[in-house]
Amino acid sequence: AQKITQTQPGMFVQEKEAVTLDCTYDTSDQSYGLFWYKQPSSGEMIFLIYQGSYDEQNATEGRYSLNFQKARKSANLVISASQLGDSAMYFCAMREGQSSNDMRFGAGTRLTVKP
Amino acid sequence: EAQVTQNPRYLITVTGKKLTVTCSQNMNHEYMSWYRQDPGLGLRQIYYSMNVEVTDKGDVPEGYKVSRKEKRNFPLILESPSPNQTSLYFCASSFSGGGPYEQYFGPGTRLTVT
Repeated sequence: AQKITQTQPGMFVQEKEAVTLDCTYDTSDQSYGLFWYKQPSSGEMIFLIYQGSYDEQNATEGRYSLNFQKARKSANLVISASQLGDSAMYFCAMREGQSSNDMRFGAGTRLTVKP
Repeated sequence: EAQVTQNPRYLITVTGKKLTVTCSQNMNHEYMSWYRQDPGLGLRQIYYSMNVEVTDKGDVPEGYKVSRKEKRNFPLILESPSPNQTSLYFCASSFSGGGPYEQYFGPGTRLTVT
């Protein structure tokens, strides 16, 4: 079964607007971590934001925030005030358990920011 | 500078010709992992290592080998490459023990097997 589901293969957003990239996950563990990575056209993987399953507050990092809805098992990435440089692939990933380091990735969402 | 390096960055080879992709990290991370990225499938884990001399299979290990003789290095070996191993490969590392430790990725190796 798919552990991480990203249902939006591609998304478009107008520059300076906010955009939400969806991510749902499947786990029976109580302890887990959720990550978002950005992959620009140059190919490198850039870590954006982390949310722990026990964190009560939604994670934020600059223009990135994570809309964590534990009961719905969703961890959507919100990018505010989109910039042209935000055009990239975005991957949601999950690490299960307290001591595991293994990550499972979603298929990704390609975001295009229009001027 | 903290980094994960991979070599080569690009490789075109023929079916059956053994090859090794090197991976090295300078952050003293215990955990290292190899992924392959294919369109529509995201990143899938090939092998991982929790520490020196400790390796284990990921989700797609067939056709690959790894070794971890030193903490900093984690080479990926394709003994007899086939065209279905054409892909973009990433090495990653992190501190062990779960928690908020993100994985640091190398720049990727684009492999084409003809």
